[in-house]
Amino acid sequence: QITLKESGPTLVKPTQTLTLTCTFSGFSLSTTEVGVGWIRQPPGKALEFLALIYWDDDKRYSPSLRSRLTITKDTSKNQVVLTMTNMDPVDTATYFCAHTLFSEDKFDPWGQGTLVTVSS
Amino acid sequence: QSALTQPASVSGSPGQSITISCTGTSSDVGSYDLVSWYQQHPGKAPKLMIFEVNKRPSGVSNRFSGSKSGNTASLTISGLQAEDEADYYCCSYGGSSTPVVFGGGTKLTVL
Repeated sequence: QITLKESGPTLVKPTQTLTLTCTFSGFSLSTTEVGVGWIRQPPGKALEFLALIYWDDDKRYSPSLRSRLTITKDTSKNQVVLTMTNMDPVDTATYFCAHTLFSEDKFDPWGQGTLVTVSS
Repeated sequence: QSALTQPASVSGSPGQSITISCTGTSSDVGSYDLVSWYQQHPGKAPKLMIFEVNKRPSGVSNRFSGSKSGNTASLTISGLQAEDEADYYCCSYGGSSTPVVFGGGTKLTVL
């Protein structure tokens, strides 16, 4: 059974850097084709893709947020870390991580999500 | 890359069928058979319902089906049930520079 869980601060100040961790079980990021993605959802709004990383360390980013995002993996800890710089109140959202496969381009399953509020 | 276009809301009565459209461009939906659909109930994480245009994951009811024509993908739910009331999001691969693009979401109301 694959499970993922997001963790990190619930409140960050404007201009600060956000660091979120996705801790997973039931799969390994050293297995061919496996990946983990990050997606966010502002309150009452739509899903927005942020970044994903594959088993071979191939990384993909949202073009509009690329300059602010970094995604890394720690295979030994079964974790993927997302950092987002220069946080702004518009970045207030629930942040989800999800399992993906390179050849099937789907996110399944998802973590429960973590709400991050950006406010001074 | 702009989000894929979905109707803001659709509704139907129990037992009826509804279809949710998802319009993209020739750079995403029109070029790849990599459209997926997600169901999201309030306060919950999204759940994969359809992938690769028309494939159902194990455990998803066969009342859910997907299709694509040109730059538009569609999700059809037949035999509507109260539990189907949720938000639905489409998603497509958009090429190496835009690997994932989501739709704006559609709120399904079961009357």
